[in-house]
Amino acid sequence: DTGVSQDPRHKITKRGQNVTFRCDPISEHNRLYWYRQTLGQGPEFLTYFQNEAQLEKSRLLSDRFSAERPKGSFSTLEIQRTEQGDSAMYLCASSLEGPSMPGKRDIQYFGAGTRLSVL
Amino acid sequence: AQSVTQLGSHVSVSEGALVLLRCNYSSSVPPYLFWYVQYPNQGLQLLLKYTSAATLVKGINGFEAEFKKSETSFHLTKPSAHMSDAAEYFCAVGYGNNRLAFGKGNQVVVIP
Repeated sequence: DTGVSQDPRHKITKRGQNVTFRCDPISEHNRLYWYRQTLGQGPEFLTYFQNEAQLEKSRLLSDRFSAERPKGSFSTLEIQRTEQGDSAMYLCASSLEGPSMPGKRDIQYFGAGTRLSVL
Repeated sequence: AQSVTQLGSHVSVSEGALVLLRCNYSSSVPPYLFWYVQYPNQGLQLLLKYTSAATLVKGINGFEAEFKKSETSFHLTKPSAHMSDAAEYFCAVGYGNNRLAFGKGNQVVVIP
């Protein structure tokens, strides 16, 4: 179990630039989630995937945000035309949904996050 | 809609003293409840989880939490604080595993 990995760990960009983050979930996990955490707040849900299908998006996810999970494995989160208000920690989590691992369902395992700073 | 309330953003506790972090939730259906811990520059780590099997849930690092439906609470406790418990703690409510709603968190400071 190598855990959830996120890349990069830190990203500094100028306002108006596009950025892309990557998340590699735990290998057998079929669900993948993106959250955003701003200073002094708990993580806020952005979106989630069941395999390659994006099943829910939060209203926080504006048109400038897009997430993909093309083969049901890793996922990318892209922010276009970044704004200073996008500065936050972006967290990825994965979980296993199904009867194959009783006792371990419904637990979301989090990566260390990507910290975005928009100047 | 589910929501979580954690009062007191910063909690100071003396080493060896009781740690008590309060969490109240609102949920229209029986909830899944979680406590996560976050150390600096790290992701969230699961401390414990409630899923209706037992009202008193034991987690890692000596933490436990008690589900009280009548009070809609899921407070986290540890009998004796250790310096290594200094971290941020988040309570979360989930349903159906499609999203978690987190509280604002408690930053725990352990005083030697």
